[in-house]
Amino acid sequence: DIQMTQSPTSLAASVGESVTITCLASEDIYGSLVWYQQKPGKSPQLLIYGATILEDGIPSRFSGSGSDTQYSLKINSLQPEDFASYYCQNGLSTPFTFGSGTKLEIK
Amino acid sequence: EIQLQESGPGLVKPSQSLSLTCSVTGYTITSGYDWSWIRKFPGNKMEWMGYISNSGSTNYNPSLKIRISITRDTSKNQFFLQLNSVTTEDTATYYCARLGAAYGYPLFDYWGQGVMVTVSS
Repeated sequence: DIQMTQSPTSLAASVGESVTITCLASEDIYGSLVWYQQKPGKSPQLLIYGATILEDGIPSRFSGSGSDTQYSLKINSLQPEDFASYYCQNGLSTPFTFGSGTKLEIK
Repeated sequence: EIQLQESGPGLVKPSQSLSLTCSVTGYTITSGYDWSWIRKFPGNKMEWMGYISNSGSTNYNPSLKIRISITRDTSKNQFFLQLNSVTTEDTATYYCARLGAAYGYPLFDYWGQGVMVTVSS
């Protein structure tokens, strides 16, 4: 199985700041990396796929980058609604595997 | 609008079987895509459990292969999860989700709201 190591586990930031979350795959996943946002009591929402492609309707302050084994999610100019948990997911092959999640909290 | 809705018992006894239903509206599960079960444990770890394809074939996470079965009822546009011989470690929130793809990249684009299942005597 491809292991996904996500960091940090938690992160505190203020509205207006920018943050970056990283995900390291245990092998090359050729850009097949997905990011989700999950708010308490809700199901995950697709943000970015193919490492860099923004899902329709997702604000442009979200961006993804990376290749091979290293990937990042950047959120610019944090808005109150962005404080949530974020997960990366290997989409290259089954079993699909997820990172351990990053909880983004308000400072 | 595509919607998925999980249903099933919230409490299961150890050693018994967990059975959940995912009802899909707004899309016919035989028309395309694969239909997955994913769970999120209390410590926030997420695990893909498996899927049933639009043609009825299945693909399971090897970690669950001897305990899991995903089936469907096409007349009701539903698919099902059965997990046998559960233990307290199977306590989790269970989600059904559609496995789609865009530009060749697999992704889970529609999710149910999730159902919390506790395994306890």
